Amino acid sequence: AQSVTQPDIHITVSEGASLELRCNYSYGATPYLFWYVQSPGQGLQLLLKYFSGDTLVQGIKGFEAEFKRSQSSFNLRKPSVHWSDAAEYFCAVGGQNNDMRFGAGTRLTVKP
Amino acid sequence: DAGITQSPRHKVTETGTPVTLRCHQTENHRYMYWYRQDPGHGLRLIHYSYGVKDTDKGEVSDGYSVSRSKTEDFLLTLESATSSQTSVYFCAISEPAGTETQYFGPGTRLLVL
Repeated sequence: AQSVTQPDIHITVSEGASLELRCNYSYGATPYLFWYVQSPGQGLQLLLKYFSGDTLVQGIKGFEAEFKRSQSSFNLRKPSVHWSDAAEYFCAVGGQNNDMRFGAGTRLTVKP
Repeated sequence: DAGITQSPRHKVTETGTPVTLRCHQTENHRYMYWYRQDPGHGLRLIHYSYGVKDTDKGEVSDGYSVSRSKTEDFLLTLESATSSQTSVYFCAISEPAGTETQYFGPGTRLLVL
């Protein structure tokens, strides 16, 4: 079965600094990859997704992610973080079997 | 935002009592899912449905049952709640296939005492 690892439980960055959240996956075929964001007390909102094609994917709120098959990674990036980006971020991998697996999440704190 | 509502949004119950959570969608999507969210585990799939009366188990289905008698409603039942089922429960929908993008409801926070 597929699995997802988010190595960083908690990251703190200063407002205006760049951000990279790591995601590694395990899947036997070409994966479908997702990043979701969750604000406190809220549901999950889709930031971006990768199914095929261009390995650099643009999402909402200025986020992007790059699929690297050789590294089994799908890291999320943002060039300049805003205080409103403070939230929890989840990477997920899906396949052909209706079984989407989520990482444990990375909590982002933004320092003023 | 996808039209997904969950009820109740918060519930406190006692061990051994039955509990039913409801997910309602207005998108007419075929696929619906129930997840639970626990610290350190992310979201884990409990059950999902791929059509009316068509359901299947997910990763953590023990102690849970589901029913789907209408396209728009997907019910999650804890037949006899236990403290280990204290969690936040999320419903999600997707279309056309289960591996497409899933859209999530606002969640139900359940506390089992």
